[in-house]
Amino acid sequence: GAGVSQSPSNKVTEKGKDVELRCDPISGHTALYWYRQSLGQGLEFLIYFQGNSAPDKSGLPSDRFSAERTGGSVSTLTIQRTQQEDSAVYLCASSLSPTDNEQFFGPGTRLTVL
Amino acid sequence: AQSVTQLDSHVSVSEGTPVLLRCNYSSSYSPSLFWYVQHPNKGLQLLLKYTSAATLVKGINGFEAEFKKSETSFHLTKPSAHMSDAAEYFCVVTINSGGYQKVTFGTGTKLQVIP
Repeated sequence: GAGVSQSPSNKVTEKGKDVELRCDPISGHTALYWYRQSLGQGLEFLIYFQGNSAPDKSGLPSDRFSAERTGGSVSTLTIQRTQQEDSAVYLCASSLSPTDNEQFFGPGTRLTVL
Repeated sequence: AQSVTQLDSHVSVSEGTPVLLRCNYSSSYSPSLFWYVQHPNKGLQLLLKYTSAATLVKGINGFEAEFKKSETSFHLTKPSAHMSDAAEYFCVVTINSGGYQKVTFGTGTKLQVIP
């Protein structure tokens, strides 16, 4: 594909519901990253995938957050029992390899928890 | 450990005047440094990157940045601001840690361009 894509672009949910956010990286990119961009907080690293495994999950804020990647391609970030403080833009990025220092970002998913 | 400090959260310039967005970093290892731009409701776009080659880096849309190791700075400049430059700019430092790129973003600088 031309770039990293994410879906949905916007998601509004009620507190306590589960949500799934999807990321399609650039074809052939083995490294995939999730970030969260909260108002006034800058970008916060969540998790990194190399292939289907996640060597670094250190940024996941709580056990309500989980992510998986299948086929070395698509990744899903799941937030269970959403809270209002989960409202943010969730960004996905991919790079050709783990040591390639240029990441390509998707447009993000804006999550609003009411 | 690494960190990035963007010294100004907001910068306002008049159209046609120079732009200076400041960034200081700290890193225990040789870093790679980037500037990204984010227009409202758009994704992050790479402006330029420094990866230990030339210290003066030229990017898109007339922007450039100079890596100054002695000052641990990577300030972004443009000789003449255009209205379309109004956006938020992020300074980013990455190091190769544990076999992958550890990325740290600055908190961003919002650039306002006044007609």
